[in-house]
Amino acid sequence: DSGVTQTPKHLITATGQRVTLRCSPRSGDLSVYWYQQSLDQGLQFLIHYYNGEERAKGNILERFSAQQFPDLHSELNLSSLELGDSALYFCASSVGGGEGTEAFFGQGTRLTVV
Amino acid sequence: DQQVKQNSPSLSVQEGRISILNCDYTNSMFDYFLWYKKYPAEGPTFLISISSIKDKNEDGRFTVFLNKSAKHLSLHIVPSQPGDSAVYFCAASGKSGANNLFFGTGTRLTVIP
Repeated sequence: DSGVTQTPKHLITATGQRVTLRCSPRSGDLSVYWYQQSLDQGLQFLIHYYNGEERAKGNILERFSAQQFPDLHSELNLSSLELGDSALYFCASSVGGGEGTEAFFGQGTRLTVV
Repeated sequence: DQQVKQNSPSLSVQEGRISILNCDYTNSMFDYFLWYKKYPAEGPTFLISISSIKDKNEDGRFTVFLNKSAKHLSLHIVPSQPGDSAVYFCAASGKSGANNLFFGTGTRLTVIP
């Protein structure tokens, strides 16, 4: 158990809908990262938050947004869903936002858009 | 643009032999490199890391080698065991303060008993 909790584990929704994925980081971790893994693809970095502030954006679509709350949990909002958004979405957390410290991953949310 | 590349999507090795997984990167600002292991239906788990000030880091059966001039790193597993069968991701981060981890596309290792 990495200590990172993601809910829900599975989500099936229709095209055009909006969903929210939730992540609770490990106790004490200030950084939260979101990654997308599509079929046969690697882990694509979406966005990084550190202590409530956005630190970096990767290949995140404009239809997607995220935030980190004062209690450090994070939510990834996906709207106007398309079939191609079907993927595994991983959240990871680490202690800091500075030099490389390993990130710990949750078990992921599998999103299926039908 | 893929800044971290794992050009071998799969690798099969006999049990007891050495597994060598390779990774190349393009961004010279990366200074910390990690390997993650991923089983199906689970999140990636941290395996081993190396800082750019080193060229080798060893942890039990796992050794990571870094060649900064070639922008190349490799993970050696010896001896390989069937339980090592998984997808291995290489990752890199820089001193930007953002500590983003950039991942490769992964190599699926199969250790044959």
